[in-house]
Amino acid sequence: EAGVAQSPRYKIIEKRQSVAFWCNPISGHATLYWYQQILGQGPKLLIQFQNNGVVDDSQLPKDRFSAERLKGVDSTLKIQPAKLEDSAVYLCASSGPGQGTSGYTFGSGTRLTVV
Amino acid sequence: RKEVEQDPGPFNVPEGATVAFNCTYSNSASQSFFWYRQDCRKEPKLLMSVYSSGNEDGRFTAQLNRASQYISLLIRDSKLSDSATYLCVVNSGTGNQFYFGTGTSLTVIP
Repeated sequence: EAGVAQSPRYKIIEKRQSVAFWCNPISGHATLYWYQQILGQGPKLLIQFQNNGVVDDSQLPKDRFSAERLKGVDSTLKIQPAKLEDSAVYLCASSGPGQGTSGYTFGSGTRLTVV
Repeated sequence: RKEVEQDPGPFNVPEGATVAFNCTYSNSASQSFFWYRQDCRKEPKLLMSVYSSGNEDGRFTAQLNRASQYISLLIRDSKLSDSATYLCVVNSGTGNQFYFGTGTSLTVIP
């Protein structure tokens, strides 16, 4: 089975610029997550989708971050405008039915550097 | 209070040593517990689930103590390839949401 696909792998932008990340979950997985992992820290949940609906976005900085999953499959995470402290790895993960009890699978992440 | 807390280490142990990591969680309603392994500049990967009765997978043993709200990971006969960061993961108890600890760094030394 194909894994979670993310692109781009790396992105370097200047502060105040915009950036978008893309994620394609494992086929058939209804739940999709975006995590932010700052160097030396564990992943922090930004937003969780169930199909195309948002389940939890309580930790998403909504003044600059947005995410969508219009057709319940692919998802895009956007930052506009970026700040230096947004430098991190952005991880997408997906899970299928019942996987709440067996963890889920991450994509390889997008490493963002804001300069 | 953080949902999940771990000692960040680092743990530096010789090959063949036994090493143990602990992790505490704050939500007594949490139902699912996991250990993930993360290699440098890679994504986290599921190492093992943690069951109430404790479980073993080769050299790895995971245990859960609900009364004290902590989970542990024991690695026996450490190999160089075990060098990584080990992340404790706990679900929210109410949904399919997972909280990660900061990770414990392990380096196995020849």
